[in-house]
Amino acid sequence: DQQVKQNSPSLSVQEGRISILNCDYTNSMFDYFLWYKKYPAEGPTFLISISSIKDKNEDGRFTVFLNKSAKHLSLHIVPSQPGDSAVYFCAAVWGANNLFFGTGTRLTVIP
Amino acid sequence: DSGVTQTPKHLITATGQRVTLRCSPRSGDLSVYWYQQSLDQGLQFLIQYYNGEERAKGNILERFSAQQFPDLHSELNLSSLELGDSALYFCASSVGPLANQETQYFGPGTRLLVL
Repeated sequence: DQQVKQNSPSLSVQEGRISILNCDYTNSMFDYFLWYKKYPAEGPTFLISISSIKDKNEDGRFTVFLNKSAKHLSLHIVPSQPGDSAVYFCAAVWGANNLFFGTGTRLTVIP
Repeated sequence: DSGVTQTPKHLITATGQRVTLRCSPRSGDLSVYWYQQSLDQGLQFLIQYYNGEERAKGNILERFSAQQFPDLHSELNLSSLELGDSALYFCASSVGPLANQETQYFGPGTRLLVL
C-alpha cells in the first residue's frame, strides 16, 4: 500500500516557467515531509523539507507547500532551469523513523 | 559527492545466491539507512542503524539482514536471492538518529541484477 503517491511520472516545462510537482499522502500521522532530487547514476540529494506545523517553506527558487486537510504537498520551482531536469521524490516521516517515499516524478526542463 | 560510498556499483548474480552490499557513511555520521528502489517503485525503506544498533525497520524481508560495525560502516546481506530482488540499493547516512530532523545523504547506489 503506497502511503505516499506521486501520480505524475513525468513533467515537461519550458525553461524560465514554473514547475509544480505534486505529492499526495494517506497517513495523517506524517509530521515531516521532504523533497529529494535524483540525477541518473547518483543517489538522491536532499532539496527542501517542511514540518507539518507549517504550510510553506521557501529556499531560493524552491518552495514547498503543505495542505494538511487535503493531504497534499507540492514543490514549486521558479524559474525552472535545464539543470533542474531530474527525478524528484517526495518523502514523508512519522514517528521519527518511519520513512515513506513516493515513486518519483521525472522533470524535464526544455531550453 | 555526498561523502557516502557504496560498493560494489554493480552486481550480477544468480537466483538462490547470497550477496553483501557495503556502505561507508559520511565522516561523523552515526546513522545508516538502507533503501531498495525497484522498477516503477519509489524508495522503499529497509532498515536503519544508529551507532551500531538497529534503530528502525521498514519493509525488509527475512532473507535480508544488515549490520553496522564499530567503524560505522554497514553491510546489507541479501540471501536466497530471487529475480524480484533485482533493484537499486541505496545507503544513506545522517548525523543523528531521527529521520524527521536530519538530512540524509545518499550514496550512489548498488545495482543488483539477479538472473
